[in-house]
Amino acid sequence: GENVEQHPSTLSVQEGDSAVIKCTYSDSASNYFPWYKQELGKGPQLIIDIRSNVGEKKDQRIAVTLNKTAKHFSLHITETQPEDSAVYFCAAKGGYSSASKIIFGSGTRLSIRP
Amino acid sequence: GAVVSQHPSWVICKSGTSVKIECRSLDFQATTMFWYRQFPKQSLMLMATSNEGSKATYEQGVEKDKFLINHASLTLSTLTVTSAHPEDSSFYICSARDMYVGGNTEAFFGQGTRLTVV
Repeated sequence: GENVEQHPSTLSVQEGDSAVIKCTYSDSASNYFPWYKQELGKGPQLIIDIRSNVGEKKDQRIAVTLNKTAKHFSLHITETQPEDSAVYFCAAKGGYSSASKIIFGSGTRLSIRP
Repeated sequence: GAVVSQHPSWVICKSGTSVKIECRSLDFQATTMFWYRQFPKQSLMLMATSNEGSKATYEQGVEKDKFLINHASLTLSTLTVTSAHPEDSSFYICSARDMYVGGNTEAFFGQGTRLTVV
């Protein structure tokens, strides 16, 4: 089955600087890669996603890149703000049906230093 | 966006009792819902896939007799933790995707249920 690895496990950056979180996946059939932000005591919230036919996607301060050959994908947050502090999870999904499973990475605890 | 609602948000129960957690899709229908468990400072681990009108599919290592799943309608799945023990204490989260939108689209997550077994 799919295995998603995520690094780093913790990340501290100065407010205004950029943060980068990297993930790798094992199943070459995976075709959908969402990123989630989870705040304490809450369920994960989708912040951006990318499909396997796209190499890069950007939404304001957040961008995601995908290298299918290397099976790597990364999240980039620019101009970080205190409210960006949270746990971020990458994930991967194979198959095209609504029943296809989403497998999560281990998470990155991002702290923004004021 | 679409909403997935879980109930209760938190529950405390005595060891040996059973607890039912509900997961509802409020404005869309889902033939499939997913149940995850999350221990403190850890990732979400998929427990099972809930299938409307049929048996759930459990991930390896998850006891089907302990974690009973019922997906009786296109908007409701329930997870019952039977004979709960302190080691079952965890954060349980459900997820669903709109069955009419297609596979490579956003999955919506509930707000989670914190179960504490004393």
